[in-house]
Amino acid sequence: EAQVTQNPRYLITVTGKKLTVTCSQNMNHEYMSWYRQDPGLGLRQIYYSMNVEVTDKGDVPEGYKVSRKEKRNFPLILESPSPNQTSLYFCASSFATSGPEQFFGPGTRLTVL
Amino acid sequence: AQKITQTQPGMFVQEKEAVTLDCTYDTSDPSYGLFWYKQPSSGEMIFLIYQGSYDQQNATEGRYSLNFQKARKSANLVISASQLGDSAMYFCAMRGDMNRDDKIIFGKGTRLHILP
Repeated sequence: EAQVTQNPRYLITVTGKKLTVTCSQNMNHEYMSWYRQDPGLGLRQIYYSMNVEVTDKGDVPEGYKVSRKEKRNFPLILESPSPNQTSLYFCASSFATSGPEQFFGPGTRLTVL
Repeated sequence: AQKITQTQPGMFVQEKEAVTLDCTYDTSDPSYGLFWYKQPSSGEMIFLIYQGSYDQQNATEGRYSLNFQKARKSANLVISASQLGDSAMYFCAMRGDMNRDDKIIFGKGTRLHILP
């Protein structure tokens, strides 16, 4: 089944404790992206990647890191989480040059205390 | 800078009526794509429809159609014969020129309520 998976789905952590949210897709997509969703703000792009070893900042990259060592995986790293990073996070993937539809993961709800 | 504006935070519509959700955009890219997504209360993001900036015809997918007016920079979603299951949050999004800046930006969304 074609899908984007994220783990964990729910996470409660404390300020400053490094964490990683994993994202994996099985559709051989070049383009992968991370978003955060906050009430009243819609989805905002954090980082995106056009292909392996190519990453670019979205609109809200501060406080986040990403890596793209393999085509299927695109982890989101919070080196020192803060309460303002409490949010719902989505990973998504698509083909880079055709097929405009993005496939979204189920979301990760993160709470930073 | 690219921008997506959805001016309707919420809408209430009677079942079986047609619905138009507004979306205006701003970009300097000559080539771009416009999308609509649905997010039901369960939280998943569901792709509905896509319109490329060079597409000559308005996109349609079943009960969904995209009213694309390039000169006015609008990309309204039209849902015909609304159903109770259409109650959800709807997001308009834009993807820029892939050869320049492949960011994707979303509007703030419109929450649609279908009344029985």
